[in-house]
Amino acid sequence: TQLLEQSPQFLSIQEGENLTVYCNSSSVFSSLQWYRQEPGEGPVLLVTVVTGGEVKKLKRLTFQFGDARKDSSLHITAAQPGDTGLYLCAGGRSGTSYGKLTFGQGTILTVHP
Amino acid sequence: NAGVMQNPRHLVRRRGQEARLRCSPMKGHSHVYWYRQLPEEGLKFMVYLQKENIIDESGMPKERFSAEFPKEGPSILRIQQVVRGDSAAYFCASSRRTGGPDEQFFGPGTRLTVL
Repeated sequence: TQLLEQSPQFLSIQEGENLTVYCNSSSVFSSLQWYRQEPGEGPVLLVTVVTGGEVKKLKRLTFQFGDARKDSSLHITAAQPGDTGLYLCAGGRSGTSYGKLTFGQGTILTVHP
Repeated sequence: NAGVMQNPRHLVRRRGQEARLRCSPMKGHSHVYWYRQLPEEGLKFMVYLQKENIIDESGMPKERFSAEFPKEGPSILRIQQVVRGDSAAYFCASSRRTGGPDEQFFGPGTRLTVL
């Protein structure tokens, strides 16, 4: 079983602070997706990283894929209350396992004004 | 709305009844995936389908659960003789599968409650 461990599970911070969420595995993934999920809604795709060491930026969000493609991080700069939500990482595989995303447990982020 | 459509959004069933969950993929997407999100747990893969074919059903319970994606119409996840443990949010996702990374786009989900 390929597991993705996300940490921290809960994060409560003040507006303007920076934060980092980690996603770790002992398995190699061909791609790594980050999603954000609001209560009562489905996950919304934020970014996909595919190359070891790749860094992608989305406004105040920075995503990094580890060199060995086993881990990833999401860094948010100057967090805002609108960033509040559940953040999920998901690993994708190639070949016969294509299509079977493995999700982390998620990080519940609360940003207080 | 060009996104993944799921209906119903909420479904209440009594133990022993059948539940049918529908999913229409994004326009241009021919690959459909079903995931289940249990309370306090993460999303778990159930099944991967293409039109008229089941590609991977390794996450589906062996009994009572079935899925299809007919040539015409939405994909259907069917749960027969529901039990309380089936209560969960069921999400459908779709992708284009161009040979690139496995980018899946999710629908809003169906919240199933079994009384």
